[in-house]
Amino acid sequence: AQSVTQLGSHVSVSEGALVLLRCNYSSSVPPYLFWYVQYPNQGLQLLLKYTSAATLVKGINGFEAEFKKSETSFHLTKPSAHMSDAAEYFCAVSVDSSASKIIFGSGTRLSIRP
Amino acid sequence: DADVTQTPRNRITKTGKRIMLECSQTKGHDRMYWYRQDPGLGLRLIYYSFDVKDINKGEISDGYSVSRQAQAKFSLSLESAIPNQTALYFCATSETSGSLDTQYFGPGTRLTVL
Repeated sequence: AQSVTQLGSHVSVSEGALVLLRCNYSSSVPPYLFWYVQYPNQGLQLLLKYTSAATLVKGINGFEAEFKKSETSFHLTKPSAHMSDAAEYFCAVSVDSSASKIIFGSGTRLSIRP
Repeated sequence: DADVTQTPRNRITKTGKRIMLECSQTKGHDRMYWYRQDPGLGLRLIYYSFDVKDINKGEISDGYSVSRQAQAKFSLSLESAIPNQTALYFCATSETSGSLDTQYFGPGTRLTVL
């Protein structure tokens, strides 16, 4: 069975600092992996997704994630945090090849200090 | 206008009452989903539907039922609400495109059961 673990329920960084949100996955088959972002009082929206085409995936708003099979990781990074990045971030893995059923991690809340 | 809408956005009800949450989409997608979000648990799948005649249970379907009235509409019902069903509920859609599906989320319905 597939699962994802997000390390750290809350991460706080200074504006302009590196953002690193950690995600490790477990999957018996090659996974499809996602990062979603949820801004306050809104639904989730897709940041980026890994489809096996390239291990480094670039998403919206300057975020990117690198798939590392040897580490079973898919960490999300952004070189320089902006106040508008404050939100909750969810890592997710698909449970089938069509990726229509997705297992979500428990989420990491990102706070940005001025 | 939003592609995925949910009504109501907020609802407070009492234990034992029947509640229906509605979801409509204008994206023309075949697949629709209902999730609930609880603090620290991420999103968990309640039910999903791949087309009007295909409805499937997710990981936490007990106490819930659904109806897919049309391609664009997917309703979630709580036949007899209980306090531990207090949560944020999200509807989502995805299309069968042959490539990796992306799910599109509605804004959520906050349900409180007293």
